[in-house]
Amino acid sequence: EIVLTQSPGTLSLSPGERVTLSCRASQTVSSSYLAWYQQKPGQAPRLLIYGASSRATGIPDRFSGSGSGTDFTLTISRLEPEDFAVYYCQQYGSSPPITFGQGTRLEIK
Amino acid sequence: EVQLVESGGGLVQPGRSLRLSCAASGFTFDDHAMHWVRQAPGKGLEWVSGITWNSGSRDYADSVKGRFTISRDNAKNSLYLQMNSLRAEDTALYYCAKHSIAVADYGMDVWGQGTTVTVSS
Repeated sequence: EIVLTQSPGTLSLSPGERVTLSCRASQTVSSSYLAWYQQKPGQAPRLLIYGASSRATGIPDRFSGSGSGTDFTLTISRLEPEDFAVYYCQQYGSSPPITFGQGTRLEIK
Repeated sequence: EVQLVESGGGLVQPGRSLRLSCAASGFTFDDHAMHWVRQAPGKGLEWVSGITWNSGSRDYADSVKGRFTISRDNAKNSLYLQMNSLRAEDTALYYCAKHSIAVADYGMDVWGQGTTVTVSS
């Protein structure tokens, strides 16, 4: 099973700032099968990025993903108030099982 | 509108059974693999089970293997999760999710709002 470790656990930032979230895998993940999701309180997760770097439909271009092998990042270039949420990375290539990281909480400073 | 609506959750005693359903609409259901993902209160996301479009392959997390069974009825545009021998640690919000593969593998691009399962005596 591929274990995904996200860091940091929590980030406190202000709107307008740039942020980079990290996702490290315990073994190589094919870039084609690395996704990022956003989850707000009381809502279902929303797909942001698939294939490590491709934005899902309707996702603003301030969100970008990169990485390969065991290290992946999600960058939000300029935080909007609606971006404060929990973010999860997921690998779905070396399945089963599909695995998620434990999440990074982005909170308003 | 593409939509997934889960139902069937509730309060159940340890050791008992429950069957979750997920009704799909707005897309060609039998074109897509489907998954169940759960989230325990205050915790992160845990993949539970997945099934291919034609039910040819079904996979399970180790934590539910042998107790849960995923199935689908393409004629009814529905996904199911039969949960037996329930334990307190199965308490969670259960989501169904659509897995899209076309030009690329998009992962889980549509999620329902979830149905809550509480296992307690």
